[in-house]
Amino acid sequence: GNSVTQMEGPVTLSEEAFLTINCTYTATGYPSLFWYVQYPGEGLQLLLKATKADDKGSNKGFEATYRKETTSFHLEKGSVQVSDSAVYFCALSVHQTGANNLFFGTGTRLTVIP
Amino acid sequence: DSGVTQTPKHLITATGQRVTLRCSPRSGDLSVYWYQQSLDQGLQFLIQYYNGEERAKGNILERFSAQQFPDLHSELNLSSLELGDSALYFCASSVASGGTWGTQYFGPGTRLTVL
Repeated sequence: GNSVTQMEGPVTLSEEAFLTINCTYTATGYPSLFWYVQYPGEGLQLLLKATKADDKGSNKGFEATYRKETTSFHLEKGSVQVSDSAVYFCALSVHQTGANNLFFGTGTRLTVIP
Repeated sequence: DSGVTQTPKHLITATGQRVTLRCSPRSGDLSVYWYQQSLDQGLQFLIQYYNGEERAKGNILERFSAQQFPDLHSELNLSSLELGDSALYFCASSVASGGTWGTQYFGPGTRLTVL
């Protein structure tokens, strides 16, 4: 089936530290991969995406590379800020003729302290 | 702002009651999705509509139903509510054309509390 396994949190980092949140997936077809972010009290925002192997998605200093050989899509940022404190969700969708609903990981809560 | 709107923002009701959540997709988006976010189940897909027709069903209970209207807005109906239905309900929409479904953009959610 389709599923996403995401690094358990919570993660607490000091400002300017390096961030990695691990994400691996299982998919029945050829998936597109996403990272969504949920800031406190808000809905989900698309952070970045990649639709084929070796693609790198990037946005706001965050990056993730679609690795088909390791079925992974790890999120990285070189220098986190307090404003990055949020819950991060890895997700996949598999293109089908009928539908393309998202399968989400459990989410990783990141807290960045000054 | 994603362009997806949801009403109401908060809803408090009692067990056994029925509620309706409303979603307006982004302009031009034909596909609407409903998701439930709860502490114990995480984020789960409920149902997808495309241009008024149901396209996929996920872990949606029989007590729940949805529809998409000709103006493309969608409603999620939850009936015989139980305490465990308390959750954040998200709507998302995407463009669907040329055989691709597009990226899903999420609304701010409706927080349902069942007392």
